[in-house]
Amino acid sequence: AQSVTQLDSHVSVSEGTPVLLRCNYSSSYSPSLFWYVQHPNKGLQLLLKYTSAATLVKGINGFEAEFKKSETSFHLTKPSAHMSDAAEYFCVVTGGRMNTGFQKLVFGTGTRLLVSP
Amino acid sequence: DSGVTQTPKHLITATGQRVTLRCSPRSGDLSVYWYQQSLDQGLQFLIQYYNGEERAKGNILERFSAQQFPDLHSELNLSSLELGDSALYFCASSVSGGFTDTQYFGPGTRLTVL
Repeated sequence: AQSVTQLDSHVSVSEGTPVLLRCNYSSSYSPSLFWYVQHPNKGLQLLLKYTSAATLVKGINGFEAEFKKSETSFHLTKPSAHMSDAAEYFCVVTGGRMNTGFQKLVFGTGTRLLVSP
Repeated sequence: DSGVTQTPKHLITATGQRVTLRCSPRSGDLSVYWYQQSLDQGLQFLIQYYNGEERAKGNILERFSAQQFPDLHSELNLSSLELGDSALYFCASSVSGGFTDTQYFGPGTRLTVL
């Protein structure tokens, strides 16, 4: 079965400093991986998606993630944090079965990013 | 704005009651998914529909049911409600429900069971 582990429940950074949110995945086949962000009292917004093309994926708002198969990791980074980045971030792997019309998203437990002035 | 709409935004009800949550997918999307987000269980997949037919089930209780109508909107019915059903319920949609699809999420319905 597919799973993701988000290694930090909370990450605190200062505005203007780099952001690193860590995610490890487990999958019995080549996965699709996503990062979603959830701002307080809001729905989930897709940041970026990896589907076996380029291993370095660029997303919205300056975020990017690198797929490393040897490390089974998909860490999310941003060079310089903004106050507006404060939110909950979810690493997600696709479950279900390939070559079928079935897709199930398996969510990590989330990492809360705190950004201080 | 993802283009996925959910109503109502908030719902407060009592134990033992039944409620219906509604979702309209993005224009052109054929697949609809329902998720539950609670403090103790996190985000969990409940059920997927594609073009009116149930495609996959996740951790959905027998007290819960869903359907997708010909106009592609979907409803999640929750019955015999318990305190533990209090949660944020999200609907998502995607073009085809395929393995590499991107799911777009609605703003959610917050259900409080008293």
